Amino acid sequence: RKEVEQDPGPFNVPEGATVAFNCTYSNSASQSFFWYRQDCRKEPKLLMSVYSSGNEDGRFTAQLNRASQYISLLIRDSKLSDSATYLCVVLSGGSYIPTFGRGTSLIVHP
Amino acid sequence: GAVVSQHPSWVICKSGTSVKIECRSLDFQATTMFWYRQFPKQSLMLMATSNEGSKATYEQGVEKDKFLINHASLTLSTLTVTSAHPEDSSFYICSANDSWETQYFGPGTRLLVL
Repeated sequence: RKEVEQDPGPFNVPEGATVAFNCTYSNSASQSFFWYRQDCRKEPKLLMSVYSSGNEDGRFTAQLNRASQYISLLIRDSKLSDSATYLCVVLSGGSYIPTFGRGTSLIVHP
Repeated sequence: GAVVSQHPSWVICKSGTSVKIECRSLDFQATTMFWYRQFPKQSLMLMATSNEGSKATYEQGVEKDKFLINHASLTLSTLTVTSAHPEDSSFYICSANDSWETQYFGPGTRLLVL
């Protein structure tokens, strides 16, 4: 079983739709969680950190469920510019070595 | 947010030559940097962890003698692809942690080996 798993998609949604991605992790000792966005042929960019209490940034909401060992990303009112691959990143222990999911591809169409 | 730069952004070289890629943290010190490789339509693959002042830690299957890593200062790590071959053509990305564990990525280096 992979340490961090994501549904690769693609998720194909119309503009204005709400879409949610999940990411499961296997290491119960994982401590830090992040969502990154990667556009085609570009480097990943931090979208948001994921806190135990959940956090929201505009149209984006991230949540952590430690009991079930998954994090989620909710995008409301999707824009064409949201089309990208969304990467889940998990840090475990004190090593700071990140573990990446394979990414979930989102395509927002007119 | 923190900034990480990479140089060069792209390079084309002949088979058998060596290519050096620099990764710099511009506004913070990074005791640890990471090197990744990404082939088209595939996920990021961690190659090695670069530790300032000590030897890099390589992931399984990554040849340490082929991918030389030097982390000479708290703001600079270099990756040298020695005797590059066409199968080494890829997108190489570095990242560095800030003090809050957030990973910041360099813009990447596209390597094409002819």
